[in-house]
Amino acid sequence: GAGVSQSPSNKVTEKGKDVELRCDPISGHTALYWYRQSLGQGLEFLIYFQGNSAPDKSGLPSDRFSAERTGGSVSTLTIQRTQQEDSAVYLCASSLAVSGGALTDTQYFGPGTRLTVL
Amino acid sequence: AQSVTQPDIHITVSEGASLELRCNYSYGATPYLFWYVQSPGQGLQLLLKYFSGDTLVQGIKGFEAEFKRSQSSFNLRKPSVHWSDAAEYFCAVGVNMNYGGSQGNLIFGKGTKLSVKP
Repeated sequence: GAGVSQSPSNKVTEKGKDVELRCDPISGHTALYWYRQSLGQGLEFLIYFQGNSAPDKSGLPSDRFSAERTGGSVSTLTIQRTQQEDSAVYLCASSLAVSGGALTDTQYFGPGTRLTVL
Repeated sequence: AQSVTQPDIHITVSEGASLELRCNYSYGATPYLFWYVQSPGQGLQLLLKYFSGDTLVQGIKGFEAEFKRSQSSFNLRKPSVHWSDAAEYFCAVGVNMNYGGSQGNLIFGKGTKLSVKP
């Protein structure tokens, strides 16, 4: 009965390094979402997966950000050449099924990964 | 463009007092509306959601919200606040790509932080 899990819970890195953030969705959930929560910006949508496909990458802030999902389950968000403005809490959510959009599906959120770029 | 406004950044109420958190949205179609709560160090938890039907929606922890189309509002209420309600509250609208949004994502307000005085 596990919920959405994310690892690591905290990550401190130096500017210019690459980082990988992991999300394990609730078993059976086909849709997976990444959001970023930063001071002053609130919660921003980054990317959405339906199965292993990401039909919408419009929220990714730059080409340094990428994400993949394998086996319809675990997802990894990668940030290359991190910058100080990347410091934020990265939240992952999953939902059971999506038909035309997460209009009715409840998204269940993980506890987030707090990323600090020095 | 779709947007969600939470006019109050921080609200303080006394324990036992009533609470109303404001939320206004801008959306070109029938909105799908959500309220989430985030306790310190925790992920987002869904309080309630509105899709259609009765405009007064009951949620968990004694919360309710009323959808008012004429005012583009979805205010969250609780008749008697408990100290454990101290948290940050987020209003969100579910976006349909057919209306120019990203498929499946939620657009969040910037949140209202609730403090509870003993």
